[in-house]
Amino acid sequence: QKEVEQNSGPLSVPEGAIASLNCTYSDRGSQSFFWYRQYSGKSPELIMFIYSNGDKEDGRFTAQLNKASQYVSLLIRDSQPSDSATYLCAVRGGGGTYKYIFGTGTRLKVLA
Amino acid sequence: DTEVTQTPKHLVMGMTNKKSLKCEQHMGHRAMYWYKQKAKKPPELMFVYSYEKLSINESVPSRFSPECPNSSLLNLHLHALQPEDSALYLCASSQDPLRSGGAGDTQYFGPGTRLTVL
Repeated sequence: QKEVEQNSGPLSVPEGAIASLNCTYSDRGSQSFFWYRQYSGKSPELIMFIYSNGDKEDGRFTAQLNKASQYVSLLIRDSQPSDSATYLCAVRGGGGTYKYIFGTGTRLKVLA
Repeated sequence: DTEVTQTPKHLVMGMTNKKSLKCEQHMGHRAMYWYKQKAKKPPELMFVYSYEKLSINESVPSRFSPECPNSSLLNLHLHALQPEDSALYLCASSQDPLRSGGAGDTQYFGPGTRLTVL
């Protein structure tokens, strides 16, 4: 069973701090990695996608991918109370599968 | 524009009812997905359509019946549901399911339909 693991949290950070969210995956052939933000009762909203090893930055968000360690992370700089949500890591498995495996999500609380 | 629309937003139905959920996208995406999400759980894949053909059915009970009339539309027909089927039903689409490791396999989600089965 292919797995994606995240710490469920809650992860509490003060406003203005850096929030660091982590995700590990078991399918070494995976090629596509996604971070979604989900507010309670709402649908997942795409934050970042990353395919290559290294860092990818978009505004206050930086995704980091290390395929050798099977690890993907999301950094949120200058965290705001509006960033308080559940962050889902999703991985598309290898071999051309149409399946995307989601982690259980990390709940982030940004304290004002 | 990365908009996926879903109707209705909310649906309450009895166990003997027949209803349908609708999903639409006009981004030219060739893969469409149905997910079910229970509270505090991640989305759970139900069905995948690739180029309007059913590619994945994750052993979903037959009381859920998907339909893809064309490349922009995806329906989920519901019949004789159980109270445990109450959940948020999410539709998603991606550009090109035959390619991976690029922007073409990014999934975009609709707002969901909140289903309550009495």
